[in-house]
Amino acid sequence: GIQVEQSPPDLILQEGANSTLRCNFSDSVNNLQWFHQNPWGQLINLFYIPSGTKQNGRLSATTVATERYSLLYISSSQTTDSGVYFCAVSLMNTGFQKLVFGTGTRLLVSP
Amino acid sequence: NAGVMQNPRHLVRRRGQEARLRCSPMKGHSHVYWYRQLPEEGLKFMVYLQKENIIDESGMPKERFSAEFPKEGPSILRIQQVVRGDSAAYFCASSLDLNEKLFFGSGTQLSVL
Repeated sequence: GIQVEQSPPDLILQEGANSTLRCNFSDSVNNLQWFHQNPWGQLINLFYIPSGTKQNGRLSATTVATERYSLLYISSSQTTDSGVYFCAVSLMNTGFQKLVFGTGTRLLVSP
Repeated sequence: NAGVMQNPRHLVRRRGQEARLRCSPMKGHSHVYWYRQLPEEGLKFMVYLQKENIIDESGMPKERFSAEFPKEGPSILRIQQVVRGDSAAYFCASSLDLNEKLFFGSGTQLSVL
């Protein structure tokens, strides 16, 4: 099956710093989404981004489908950004959202 | 517009009992998914349903697990004769269309004693 690898696995930042999270996937996909799981376990959908670039406030994401990777940028990080960030994809020939989740990047933002 | 609603938030069962997890998708969403998250792991797909139909259940264990999404009422994930290995967070998600943003509920944390 498709492999989804995220890096780095862990990241510690000072409040106000910027960061880049990476997601590599091993096959062609028609669906890629970024999620933030906060310390209470809630999963928030950040982006639906099978290709191209999107921005939402301090967050932006870029997916280069032909090279099989996606990047999530967090600027001016805040303590509320702490949690685990997951990238999730589904294969090109899948007609629905059978998402395969990556291993996650655990982010801790300290004051 | 309320989000995806799951209940209960926490469920404790003894080995051999039944667990019943409920999910109401976002208003207007007819595509419902169940995912399971084992401790310290990412989420794994279990089943995809549309109203009254199971479309794909390839991620669901063949025995003891079942899911439904009736014409009226919430989607139900049912686990019979629970074992300790069933302890996990079970998330329900819904989307408006086949390939659009997937919205997750807050999950049900199942603990089997």
